[in-house]
Amino acid sequence: EDQVTQSPEALRLQEGESSSLNCSYTVSGLRGLFWYRQDPGKGPEFLFTLYSAGEEKEKERLKATLTKKESFLHITAPKPEDSATYLCAVHQGAKETSGSRLTFGEGTQLTVNP
Amino acid sequence: DGGITQSPKYLFRKEGQNVTLSCEQNLNHDAMYWYRQDPGQGLRLIYYSQIVNDFQKGDIAEGYSVSREKKESFPLTVTSAQKNPTAFYLCASRRSMNTEAFFGQGTRLTVV
Repeated sequence: EDQVTQSPEALRLQEGESSSLNCSYTVSGLRGLFWYRQDPGKGPEFLFTLYSAGEEKEKERLKATLTKKESFLHITAPKPEDSATYLCAVHQGAKETSGSRLTFGEGTQLTVNP
Repeated sequence: DGGITQSPKYLFRKEGQNVTLSCEQNLNHDAMYWYRQDPGQGLRLIYYSQIVNDFQKGDIAEGYSVSREKKESFPLTVTSAQKNPTAFYLCASRRSMNTEAFFGQGTRLTVV
């Protein structure tokens, strides 16, 4: 069974204090790992897709990396507007019957204080 | 602008009633999904559809039903058999199996 575990559940940072969020997964035949940002009461907003170990993607203060067992979302010098819940999801495609489903972790709630 | 539209944004249901949540997309995506999100939790898959007139159960399909008569539309019915329907419901679509999913803004359903 696909497993996606995110840690920590909650993270509180001071503005400018860099840190990392973790997403570990156990799937056979990873076909993609996706990071999303979700603000309260809204739908998730797509951030990054990673397909293979060693791949990295960057956008403003965010950088996502991928190994064979986990992904990290690094936040450099965060600002209060970066406060949100960050979700990761995996698509497992090794089995014909798995279809095109995405399995989500429970998210990390990030708070950045000014 | 292309996107996914969910309606209504807020929905109140009396116990014992069926309600239908609307999801429409104009992205020309083949795959569509319904997820449920409870406070402080991640997204749990209810149903998904890869093609018109076909859909599969997700992890928590009991008490829900869907249809996919048109590529653009994937409505979700929350039936009276769903014992704890109060939640935030999210619809999503994807172009293909290896691409990212795009989400609507959600419908918050409350049983009164």
